Amino acid sequence: GDSVTQMEGPVTLSEEAFLTINCTYTATGYPSLFWYVQYPGEGLQLLLKATKADDKGSNKGFEATYRKETTSFHLEKGSVQVSDSAVYFCALGDDKIIFGKGTRLHILP
Amino acid sequence: GAVVSQHPSRVICKSGTSVKIECRSLDFQATTMFWYRQFPKQSLMLMATSNEGSKATYEQGVEKDKFLINHASLTLSTLTVTSAHPEDSSFYICSARFLGTFEETQYFGPGTRLLVL
Repeated sequence: GDSVTQMEGPVTLSEEAFLTINCTYTATGYPSLFWYVQYPGEGLQLLLKATKADDKGSNKGFEATYRKETTSFHLEKGSVQVSDSAVYFCALGDDKIIFGKGTRLHILP
Repeated sequence: GAVVSQHPSRVICKSGTSVKIECRSLDFQATTMFWYRQFPKQSLMLMATSNEGSKATYEQGVEKDKFLINHASLTLSTLTVTSAHPEDSSFYICSARFLGTFEETQYFGPGTRLLVL
């Protein structure tokens, strides 16, 4: 079945560092891809999404590009802030959403 | 943006009792709602898909007699954990999808943390 694999955390970076969180997927067909973020004590929020190959989703300085050839949807941000500390989930699906295990990100001031 | 609420946000109950969790879409009608379960430091696992006016569809391994789901209106779905046991302690999250579109984005509630003593 469809699945999502993302890099294990925690990832610890200093403020203003460059961030990459890797995500690869296996799927039949071409599902939409998502990144969700979960801040401490809160529910999931959609961060960005891409619905077809080569689409780039972006929001709040984060970006991810739907790469069909490498079946990847890596999350990037050029300069992270302390407020970006959270758990990030890569996900896929057009009806049922399948989530990766999440990557905890710690940003140090 | 779309808002989905859950009530209660946190509940503690004794083993053997039943607990009801409500999920409401506050500013849109949702023909479909989803219930997830999240264990500490793990991903969300889909438990069931709830369609308004019909029986829920449960994922493999989820006991439908233990986790009762009702979706009586376009804005409300409930999850009842019957005869709860400590192993049912978890974070339960619902999500709702818009009515009448091919919107691929689900909007998530803030979650309900259940602790069974």
